[in-house]
Amino acid sequence: DTEVTQTPKHLVMGMTNKKSLKCEQHMGHRAMYWYKQKAKKPPELMFVYSYEKLSINESVPSRFSPECPNSSLLNLHLHALQPEDSALYLCASSQGLRDRSHEQYFGPGTRLTVT
Amino acid sequence: QKEVEQDPGPLSVPEGAIVSLNCTYSNSAFQYFMWYRQYSRKGPELLMYTYSSGNKEDGRFTAQVDKSSKYISLFIRDSQPSDSATYLCASHTGGFKTIFGAGTRLFVKA
Repeated sequence: DTEVTQTPKHLVMGMTNKKSLKCEQHMGHRAMYWYKQKAKKPPELMFVYSYEKLSINESVPSRFSPECPNSSLLNLHLHALQPEDSALYLCASSQGLRDRSHEQYFGPGTRLTVT
Repeated sequence: QKEVEQDPGPLSVPEGAIVSLNCTYSNSAFQYFMWYRQYSRKGPELLMYTYSSGNKEDGRFTAQVDKSSKYISLFIRDSQPSDSATYLCASHTGGFKTIFGAGTRLFVKA
């Protein structure tokens, strides 16, 4: 099973709402990633967890809060977002070692609209 | 200057054509070079990766890396309409941070 699942597929939220995005994989991968992708742009790295510890935070605003409850799950908690945060949020996973990060498996993404 | 440069296209070819997709990069420390395919409204899918310089072939796809000129290529033989997608080149230095090119939109016309 090489699948990364993400829920929900679509999310519309107001600027005062709190919501969460969920990502799950059962490939035994120990590195998990959050990316943000705007239309016709490449994915931009937000966070990386390695062995359930936050390894990279690309200076993401605090209104985005990641969480890795266990090796299979990755959450992204959203609070007080801005309309410019509307984008496709992608989750990915890879084997836990840094030099295996070239084999990333991506989920289908959550399309987020902030109104 | 972006670390990975890629012409966004679009590139339109007839079915059966050989497609050449290219990127250049500036970071000499890059070791791994990847090609991802992304269909509209889907997540990227890893097509191939190459370590350091050289060629790699997988079916109709061939990836080439020339580290001396910092040039990355993907060739698609006998292109099919189902190959219509955005192709992203990417690289990293051996760490967790992957740098993506802008992506080239490819249209293969039947």
